[in-house]
Amino acid sequence: DGGITQSPKYLFRKEGQNVTLSCEQNLNHDAMYWYRQDPGQGLRLIYYSQIVNDFQKGDIAEGYSVSREKKESFPLTVTSAQKNPTAFYLCASSSRTSRSTDTQYFGPGTRLTVL
Amino acid sequence: GQNIDQPTEMTATEGAIVQINCTYQTSGFNGLFWYQQHAGEAPTFLSYNVLDGLEEKGRFSSFLSRSKGYSYLLLKELQMKDSASYLCAVKGGSYIPTFGRGTSLIVHP
Repeated sequence: DGGITQSPKYLFRKEGQNVTLSCEQNLNHDAMYWYRQDPGQGLRLIYYSQIVNDFQKGDIAEGYSVSREKKESFPLTVTSAQKNPTAFYLCASSSRTSRSTDTQYFGPGTRLTVL
Repeated sequence: GQNIDQPTEMTATEGAIVQINCTYQTSGFNGLFWYQQHAGEAPTFLSYNVLDGLEEKGRFSSFLSRSKGYSYLLLKELQMKDSASYLCAVKGGSYIPTFGRGTSLIVHP
């Protein structure tokens, strides 16, 4: 079955620790994205990648870092510099970014709680 | 920049019809998407509009007017399972979707 997986579903960390969220897709999609969702808020773009070894900052990139060493994988690190990291994190992928019709497919999300 | 506006919350009765509006202002336009998101789950794709007019898909329809920067999602024959958040997302000139805050729909018996 093709799809996007994120692990873990729930993650707890102490304040000041870096934490890495996993995102893997087997849809052969070129583009991948990370969004953050807070209660009552829409999805806000953290980073996106259009191709391996390249990524761009989104609207709220401060305190986050990413890598794209493989087409299938786009891990997100939440660093200690992120002031309010507790949120629901969603990873998505699409065939590419440059076509109007390309739909994003989302993973199940990781709920991060920083204690 | 881009601005997308949709109502925060709506309520409706099982079996009824509900219309969820979305207005947008973007630099360029390359399509508008509607997603459904149940609490704690991933958004799932519902519909896509890039040309003016109505797109129908079963109980769900979506309408677009590019000149007015306006779209709506129409849900017919509402069921309890339709209680969810509905997200409007617009692709502007960058082709990267920008999401609205979502409309929480509550369907009651």
